[in-house]
Amino acid sequence: DTEVTQTPKHLVMGMTNKKSLKCEQHMGHRAMYWYKQKAKKPPELMFVYSYEKLSINESVPSRFSPECPNSSLLNLHLHALQPEDSALYLCASTDRYNEQFFGPGTRLTVL
Amino acid sequence: DAKTTQPTSMDCAEGRAANLPCNHSTISGNEYVYWYRQIHSQGPQYIIHGLKNNETNEMASLIITEDRKSSTLILPHATLRDTAVYYCIVRVEGSGTYKYIFGTGTRLKVLA
Repeated sequence: DTEVTQTPKHLVMGMTNKKSLKCEQHMGHRAMYWYKQKAKKPPELMFVYSYEKLSINESVPSRFSPECPNSSLLNLHLHALQPEDSALYLCASTDRYNEQFFGPGTRLTVL
Repeated sequence: DAKTTQPTSMDCAEGRAANLPCNHSTISGNEYVYWYRQIHSQGPQYIIHGLKNNETNEMASLIITEDRKSSTLILPHATLRDTAVYYCIVRVEGSGTYKYIFGTGTRLKVLA
């Protein structure tokens, strides 16, 4: 298995909803990343987990809450989001040669 | 963090070499340069990376200047499927792990 999977592919939520994005990899990678990408912009780093511990938080608002339950799984819990949080959310993991493998992303729309 | 600057867009004729430049004048000695591309808002795809020496793989070549302030990605024989946004990225160390800082990207259009 040489891919990063993300579910769901699309998500529409209201500003009062709570939802979660899921990312999974079975390549034994020990670093996992969340990025946010707005239209026609580059991906922006949000969080980095290394060996299941949060090592980098790029000053992301607390309405985004990451979780790494085990070495293969990364979640992003969403609560009380704003319309400007609508974006493509990308997950990535890195191998021991520090090549990043990206998932296909979850396209989030906040109404 | 080291930053990269790239031209916004470029065109290339099919079958010709595409040369995509990137400036990273504030790069530190141990920071790698990576190139990724992204097609139609799919997840970015790895192309190549390097530190000091020029690198080549089955997809592309990476030429890094001796002072490491800039680099060029070369796609030797561009095809229509190479139309994508190409990101030049600097990998920086932080908090015991690495951050990948994306440049603004070059939108490459390969023309038939």
